Amino acid sequence: AQSVTQLGSHVSVSEGALVLLRCNYSSSVPPYLFWYVQYPNQGLQLLLKYTSAATLVKGINGFEAEFKKSETSFHLTKPSAHMRDAAEYFCAVSDSGSSNTGKLIFGQGTTLQVKP
Amino acid sequence: NAGVTQTPKFQVLKTGQSMTLQCAQDMNHNSMYWYRQDPGMGLRLIYYSASEGTTDKGEVPNGYNVSRLNKREFSLRLESAAPSQTSVYFCASSVELGQNYGYTFGSGTRLTVV
Repeated sequence: AQSVTQLGSHVSVSEGALVLLRCNYSSSVPPYLFWYVQYPNQGLQLLLKYTSAATLVKGINGFEAEFKKSETSFHLTKPSAHMRDAAEYFCAVSDSGSSNTGKLIFGQGTTLQVKP
Repeated sequence: NAGVTQTPKFQVLKTGQSMTLQCAQDMNHNSMYWYRQDPGMGLRLIYYSASEGTTDKGEVPNGYNVSRLNKREFSLRLESAAPSQTSVYFCASSVELGQNYGYTFGSGTRLTVV
């Protein structure tokens, strides 16, 4: 079965500093990978996704992630944090199995705090 | 606006009461899903429906039932609510796997069982 592990339930950075949120996955087949962001009391918004095209994926709000098959990782980065980036971030992997329908498996989430 | 619509947005139930969470999508997606979100546990799949007329259990189906009424609508029912079902519930729909694969989420239902 596929699974996702997000390293660090809380990450704190200063405004302007590099953001690095870690995600490792396990999958027996080539995965689809996603990062979602959730602002307080809101739903989930897609940041970016990897669907077997380019391994470096650029998303919204200046975020990007690199798919590294050898490390089974899909870490999320942003060069310079803004206060508005404070939110909870979820990494997810598709569980395609033998069907054409992908059930998303989510990590536990990482709360990003941005300090002024 | 195209997307996934969930109702209600908030609900308080007493232990033992029943209720149905409604979800509808207007994107002509075949697949629909119900997730619950709890602090520190991410989102966990309750049930999903790969197509109209089919439903399957996810990771945490106990205490829930679902109905795929038609291609647009996928409802989640709590027959006898328990405090452990206090959570935020998200409905989602998706296109099939491929380059355009992706989920669209509803805005969520915040359920409290007292």
